[in-house]
Amino acid sequence: EIVLTQSPGTLSLSPGERATLSCRASQSVRDNYLAWYQHKAGQAPRLLMYNASRRFTGVPARFSGSGSGTDFTLTISRLEPEDFAVYYCQQYGTSTWTFGQGTRVEIK
Amino acid sequence: DVHLMESGGGLAQPGRSLRLSCTASGFTFDEFAMHWVRQAPGKGLEWVSGISWNSVDMAYSDSVKGRFTISRDNDKTSLYLEMNGLRADDTAFYYCAKDINPFGRGSTVTVLEFGGQGTLVTISS
Repeated sequence: EIVLTQSPGTLSLSPGERATLSCRASQSVRDNYLAWYQHKAGQAPRLLMYNASRRFTGVPARFSGSGSGTDFTLTISRLEPEDFAVYYCQQYGTSTWTFGQGTRVEIK
Repeated sequence: DVHLMESGGGLAQPGRSLRLSCTASGFTFDEFAMHWVRQAPGKGLEWVSGISWNSVDMAYSDSVKGRFTISRDNDKTSLYLEMNGLRADDTAFYYCAKDINPFGRGSTVTVLEFGGQGTLVTISS
């Protein structure tokens, strides 16, 4: 089973700043089958990225994904007030579902 | 837009049963595999169960296998989760989600699109 470790656990930033979130896999993720979700309390999780770097429909261009193999990154170029949330990565390259434990992006 | 409305959650005692429902709109329901994902208090996301577009293939996490049953009614554009033998560690928000790819299997690990606020299941005596 691939274990996904996200870091940092919490990121304290101000609106307008750049956010860099990491997701590290315990073994290589086949074909970079990695997705990112945003989750706010009381709301549905929102799919942001898939295939590591493909932005899902309607996701603003300030969100970008990169990485390959075992190291992946979600970058938010300039944080908007609505971006403060918890972010999860998920791999879908194996037959076992695994999510990372999440990174909370909070207002500094 | 994909819209998924979960319902059926509530407070139940250990060992009892609950049936969750998810009503879908905004997409061609009968073309997509559907899944249930949960989030326990203070925890991350956990996949629970999935069902193929045509109900041929179903899959469950080890933590719910033998206790939960997933089903769907394409005519009613609805997804269900029958939960029996409930335990305290089943306490969570439950979300339904669709596969972003059409005609997938319930047992295929895939990318999910969510669309509802979830329904809270609390198991306590």
